[in-house]
Amino acid sequence: DTAVSQTPKYLVTQMGNDKSIKCEQNLGHDTMYWYKQDSKKFLKIMFSYNNKELIINETVPNRFSPKSPDKAHLNLHINSLELGDSAVYFCASSHLSSLGDGGYTFGSGTRLTVV
Amino acid sequence: RKEVEQDPGPFNVPEGATVAFNCTYSNSASQSFFWYRQDCRKEPKLLMSVYSSGNEDGRFTAQLNRASQYISLLIRDSKLSDSATYLCVANPGKLIFGQGTELSVKP
Repeated sequence: DTAVSQTPKYLVTQMGNDKSIKCEQNLGHDTMYWYKQDSKKFLKIMFSYNNKELIINETVPNRFSPKSPDKAHLNLHINSLELGDSAVYFCASSHLSSLGDGGYTFGSGTRLTVV
Repeated sequence: RKEVEQDPGPFNVPEGATVAFNCTYSNSASQSFFWYRQDCRKEPKLLMSVYSSGNEDGRFTAQLNRASQYISLLIRDSKLSDSATYLCVANPGKLIFGQGTELSVKP
């Protein structure tokens, strides 16, 4: 039973399209995150939600819009996709109060390729 | 300057070797620290936390020097299965990842 699951696993799409990535966690965590890992393997935080409330919003183009319908789900919608958006997007979850103890649980990633 | 900096490697070592990775962080407000491991085309997974007094988990030893803002990971008796990218992580309220150090252990 997967703890943090993302769909789709792979996504190939044309420039200018709009796409969504979904994430669900069944760990009972109260906080969820989106990270982007680029071609240089640098893993950079994009957004974080705690109990459906946005708590971290890094410098990300406003074409990226996260949505958290409940604390077990965090989706990422991307408008007008660009070539530079090609990357692996990881969802993660944690208990905010125990972040100092054990870090995050990551999903298996969504490999986005914009052509 | 990146918030967490690591030597990207790759480190190519023979089985049985001892290898050390170093990392520096810039945010002195960082409260906790971790090493994560990431296998090729997989998600990062927590390897171990890093405590001020230094800590050991089997063949792995992690150390933290808050004054120098420096973190290290020592792997003894390297195994083929240790081949992966090792990510240094600092927590100033959110997890900030280094670029990762690639390790390749050869027979």
